[in-house]
Amino acid sequence: EDKVVQSPLSLVVHEGDTVTLNCSYEVTNFRSLLWYKQEKKAPTFLFMLTSSGIEKKSGRLSSILDKKELFSILNITATQTGDSAVYLCAGSLIQGAQKLVFGQGTRLTINP
Amino acid sequence: EAGVTQFPSHSVIEKGQTVTLRCDPISGHDNLYWYRRVMGKEIKFLLHFVKESKQDESGMPNNRFLAERTGGTYSTLKVQPAELEDSGVYFCASSQDPEAADTQYFGPGTRLTVL
Repeated sequence: EDKVVQSPLSLVVHEGDTVTLNCSYEVTNFRSLLWYKQEKKAPTFLFMLTSSGIEKKSGRLSSILDKKELFSILNITATQTGDSAVYLCAGSLIQGAQKLVFGQGTRLTINP
Repeated sequence: EAGVTQFPSHSVIEKGQTVTLRCDPISGHDNLYWYRRVMGKEIKFLLHFVKESKQDESGMPNNRFLAERTGGTYSTLKVQPAELEDSGVYFCASSQDPEAADTQYFGPGTRLTVL
């Protein structure tokens, strides 16, 4: 059965700290790895990673995929209170419905 | 451009009643997905429409759940009769072209509480 595991499940840090969120996957017919940020309602898209070893960046956020070791990390530098959210990792499949297989999420809390 | 919208945002019903959830995808997106998050668990896939056709409904829990997408625009997910274990948040997502590995964009979800 396809599985995505995120760690840690919860993380509390101070504003300005740098955090690394982890995502490992066991997904057959794997195509890409997606990161979403969920604050209150809709998960909002952050990154889609298809190629191994190529870092994607957006402001203070960056992410990279390792298709050999089957994991991805999401880095957030100089964290701000607005980064507090649940971060979701999901694997997408090549065949069939291209459905997303989600991890449990990491709840990140940034304290001022 | 409007995002994915869902209605209602929250529904509280009693066991045995019927509830219908609605999803309006982003305009022009042929692909529509339903997902569900039961408390304490990860978000799980329910089914996928391409236009009005069901591409994959392997995640539907049982035959009390019926999804439709008449005309290939909005979709409804009906639960009849609802059971306690159906409580959770139901998300809808849409994408333009999954063959091109397009991103799925999510709606805010409908929180269903079955008492």
